[in-house]
Amino acid sequence: IAGITQAPTSQILAAGRRMTLRCTQDMRHNAMYWYRQDLGLGLRLIHYSNTAGTTGKGEVPDGYSVSRANTDDFPLTLASAVPSQTSVYFCASRMDREAPQQFFGPGTRLTVL
Amino acid sequence: AQTVTQSQPEMSVQEAETVTLSCTYDTSESDYYLFWYKQPPSRQMILVIRQEAYKQQNATENRFSVNFQKAAKSFSLKISDSQLGDAVMYFCAYRRGSGGSNYKLTFGKGTLLTVNP
Repeated sequence: IAGITQAPTSQILAAGRRMTLRCTQDMRHNAMYWYRQDLGLGLRLIHYSNTAGTTGKGEVPDGYSVSRANTDDFPLTLASAVPSQTSVYFCASRMDREAPQQFFGPGTRLTVL
Repeated sequence: AQTVTQSQPEMSVQEAETVTLSCTYDTSESDYYLFWYKQPPSRQMILVIRQEAYKQQNATENRFSVNFQKAAKSFSLKISDSQLGDAVMYFCAYRRGSGGSNYKLTFGKGTLLTVNP
């Protein structure tokens, strides 16, 4: 693979269920990000990680958690999904936190019923 | 906090004509980057063009160019010789240049471009 992969591509989930969205990059980028995209709101940052072992909160972190056990993987977990978390989720990465260009994964469409 | 405003939710252009998408931003920083991304139906966010704030020269990538007005905090995208494949959603984005804990992208709400044959 080359770039960022996300899984699943799409998912329908019952409210209250736990869900982990997976993100893997093979570019050895240090910084990784999770955004959600909602109609009319653009993309908003959920969580970020500047390097393996560290994470931080973005604009809309409530209801989500992340971990960064290694450089390549940055999973996003919804502990107890709610309908307002219905969205398209994008994982992104850049070489380091100051590198100008950010690369995006293909996104995961999540529907919470 | 930085904000990015795209005042045109939708724009249309005739094929082969030129169209300009507007973007304004608000920041107190002097060092930053500005970007235009496009998003086709595949959902993939694709970088169109990038501008460093310290550069006075406007960035150009083939048929895509920007008009960067730093004092006015304006960053418009010009698409020349519009093609049917240009009919996608466009997002303007801002990123601070240095001195923060993260370097997230702040996005506008997007402009949907229609290209009429």
